[in-house]
Amino acid sequence: AAGVIQSPRHLIKEKRETATLKCYPIPRHDTVYWYQQGPGQDPQFLISFYEKMQSDKGSIPDRFSAQQFSDYHSELNMSSLELGDSALYFCASSIGQGKGYTFGSGTRLTVV
Amino acid sequence: SQQGEEDPQALSIQEGENATMNCSYKTSINNLQWYRQNSGRGLVHLILIRSNEREKHSGRLRVTLDTSKKSSSLLITASRAADTASYFCATAAEHDYKLSFGAGTTVTVRA
Repeated sequence: AAGVIQSPRHLIKEKRETATLKCYPIPRHDTVYWYQQGPGQDPQFLISFYEKMQSDKGSIPDRFSAQQFSDYHSELNMSSLELGDSALYFCASSIGQGKGYTFGSGTRLTVV
Repeated sequence: SQQGEEDPQALSIQEGENATMNCSYKTSINNLQWYRQNSGRGLVHLILIRSNEREKHSGRLRVTLDTSKKSSSLLITASRAADTASYFCATAAEHDYKLSFGAGTTVTVRA
């Protein structure tokens, strides 16, 4: 069965650069969530989209932005990268809100 | 962590033994979920228990939920080396859809 696809799997960027992470939800899933997990930390909610509209916002820095496109895939744009942005970034999708989530394998971002 | 504590932080057991970990949370919830994460890998959904449920089983997993104490436990029976991972509880609050994760319990199963 198709799962949540995230790309790239690994990304190395320098400080002050920009990164774009992509998430392709399970077909027919209309809700996407983004989470950030720092080393040894629990995942922290960043932002979510339902039917292409932002539905909730967590501890997402102003340097980050995200959107959900007409095909329901989502992109997380991160600018002016800082060393502290190094983390695993997970995307999860669900059918509607408040339903079971499926997580992608994550994108490991390393800022050097 | 966003919503509470998990205890213990780390657990080391012998293969075949049972592993129990606990999770506490702060707000009223719609459901509570448990996830497993192998080192640096993705989050794998294990089980979801709704706020009106008290116990749920899935294979070797048993989850309990006590909403009066705002706590949950995950029991893994007859543990295997492959169960070595970090285990996170996550809650979905009432009228909210995002998940809030606990700090996780790292379980090591010795062969």
